[in-house]
Amino acid sequence: DAGVIQSPRHEVTEMGQEVTLRCKPISGHDYLFWYRQTMMRGLELLIYFNNNVPIDDSGMPEDRFSAKMPNASFSTLKIQPSEPRDSAVYFCASSLAGYAFFGQGTRLTVV
Amino acid sequence: GESVGLHLPTLSVQEGDNSIINCAYSNSASDYFIWYKQESGKGPQFIIDIRSNMDKRQGQRVTVLLNKTVKHLSLQIAATQPGDSAVYFCAENYGGSQGNLIFGKGTKLSVKP
Repeated sequence: DAGVIQSPRHEVTEMGQEVTLRCKPISGHDYLFWYRQTMMRGLELLIYFNNNVPIDDSGMPEDRFSAKMPNASFSTLKIQPSEPRDSAVYFCASSLAGYAFFGQGTRLTVV
Repeated sequence: GESVGLHLPTLSVQEGDNSIINCAYSNSASDYFIWYKQESGKGPQFIIDIRSNMDKRQGQRVTVLLNKTVKHLSLQIAATQPGDSAVYFCAENYGGSQGNLIFGKGTKLSVKP
């Protein structure tokens, strides 16, 4: 398996624009997580899904953030409108039991 | 609130020496702990895990120790190599749900040749 695949790897956008991050989990995994990593706050769990159903979105910063998982092999994290403070590395991870496997991350820069 | 913290934000060791990275956790309900390694530009990578019914677990060159009495977790790396240079995170899981995985801030390990 190729592991968790995220796209794009890098994204630069202007403030106010919509940003969509994509994730393909490892086949067969039933949990999917979205994390955000910054120097100030470290790794923060934003939201996670179990069997495509959102279980806990309490980590989502505000209504500008939304995540979907239309099927077992795809998830998106959308920010609309984006703000400079959203600049961070966003990681997707998936798991079946126990520990999570992480993707390479998407580095988002909002200017 | 509950949190996972690290005692040492940076650690510098000589190649060949043993490294010990420490982590304190505050949630007594945590039942599963994981150490991750994150190299520059990459996502965190699983190293080793331990459940709360154990106090020690060994892998290849790594050992995790869990002291539930003082809520302390450590990662020991034997014969540290330059390739071990990375940021190491401990993470705790509680509440019986895989989603409740809380990460510490990380410790940067630098290995001097």
